[in-house]
Amino acid sequence: SQTIHQWPATLVQPVGSPLSLECTVEGTSNPNLYWYRQAAGRGLQLLFYSVGIGQISSEVPQNLSASRPQDRQFILSSKKLLLSDSGFYLCAWSVRWTGGHEQYFGPGTRLTVT
Amino acid sequence: AQTVTQSQPEMSVQEAETVTLSCTYDTSESDYYLFWYKQPPSRQMILVIRQEAYKQQNATENRFSVNFQKAAKSFSLKISDSQLGDAAMYFCAYRSGAETSGSRLTFGEGTQLTVNP
Repeated sequence: SQTIHQWPATLVQPVGSPLSLECTVEGTSNPNLYWYRQAAGRGLQLLFYSVGIGQISSEVPQNLSASRPQDRQFILSSKKLLLSDSGFYLCAWSVRWTGGHEQYFGPGTRLTVT
Repeated sequence: AQTVTQSQPEMSVQEAETVTLSCTYDTSESDYYLFWYKQPPSRQMILVIRQEAYKQQNATENRFSVNFQKAAKSFSLKISDSQLGDAAMYFCAYRSGAETSGSRLTFGEGTQLTVNP
């Protein structure tokens, strides 16, 4: 069965510090991968998605970036965090080809920028 | 661009009763998919049910069913025999059927469901 991991689970970082959130998927190959951010009590905003190694699409311009160094690894980064980067970050995966396949989500990372 | 609207920020239901959560969407596409996700206090996103736009039959998963009205672009979720464990934030989501979409989802803002004992 497939499993998706995210770490860390929680993170408190000062403004201006760097960020690295990691997501890995087990039990599947060639997945589509996604990073979402969720503000408190709000819906999910898609930040990045990837359909393959090194292929990253950005949905929202910001000071965040994403990378996919391996097929089942997706990393969200920032060189300098802003207060507005606080939120709940969710990684998700789906089967690559079309067909209405749903996305499966990781447990999330709660980021607080102080 | 597609949009998803959930007009009910909060809903409540008595245990064992039935509740319907509303969702409307805007799209010019004919091929797409719709989903309901549940987010309990743990914040883990859990798929509840999905509907393919090309199917006229409404999807059903145990106590959960949808009323899919394609012409009206409406996709409501009905929860029957509500249980305390159904209390959560519910999100409606849209996925384009286009090859170039990357299978990404567009979410509504969510409906917070409270189940009263």
